[in-house]
Amino acid sequence: SAVISQKPSRDICQRGTSLTIQCQVDSQVTMMFWYRQQPGQSLTLIATANQGSEATYESGFVIDKFPISRPNLTFSTLTVSNMSPEDSSIYLCSATNPGFGANVLTFGAGSRLTVL
Amino acid sequence: AQTVTQSQPEMSVQEAETVTLSCTYDTSESDYYLFWYKQPPSRQMILVIRQEAYKQQNATENRFSVNFQKAAKSFSLKISDSQLGDAAMYFCAYRSAGTGNQFYFGTGTSLTVIP
Repeated sequence: SAVISQKPSRDICQRGTSLTIQCQVDSQVTMMFWYRQQPGQSLTLIATANQGSEATYESGFVIDKFPISRPNLTFSTLTVSNMSPEDSSIYLCSATNPGFGANVLTFGAGSRLTVL
Repeated sequence: AQTVTQSQPEMSVQEAETVTLSCTYDTSESDYYLFWYKQPPSRQMILVIRQEAYKQQNATENRFSVNFQKAAKSFSLKISDSQLGDAAMYFCAYRSAGTGNQFYFGTGTSLTVIP
């Protein structure tokens, strides 16, 4: 499977600011996903990012708050805009590709954001 | 939407013993994939094992095996000869077959391994 690098791995942010998380895959992938994992919780899908098209957002998530870019088949960014303490969470980038086998989802190590 | 249920928020096992983590799911589809992921304190989600629904044979990966009961919609994970490094959160996940389908995750089971 692919190796996914995320940065930053962690950050402490001030209320009202925005932060962009970068996700780099070491091979071309068809689909990339952004998840949020709040403390002690499971994973919640924010959006699916496909190259060459707008991201598809899940219920409860909007583009103005979580703009996503997917400029090519190996890279994506997620921006958390106008942050509040409720946005404190781990944000996980993931990808899947038929070449991974059985549609396996591969994850980055996550970005832990703390909003003060 | 499909739902994945893990009814055991926490489990513990003695080192070298065997433990079984439970997972049930709800779906009306016949073709899908099931997964167990491990998330240690480092946060890195790691695939432990996967099962294709069309396969009757239970998947095994070294000390990890599953008990897949399709009719009962049950997919439990058995860890044999537990090691300290097995301590982590374990998430059960479901994905419908075909492209473009998202993964659905359970709420996780926190496994503690007692030396």
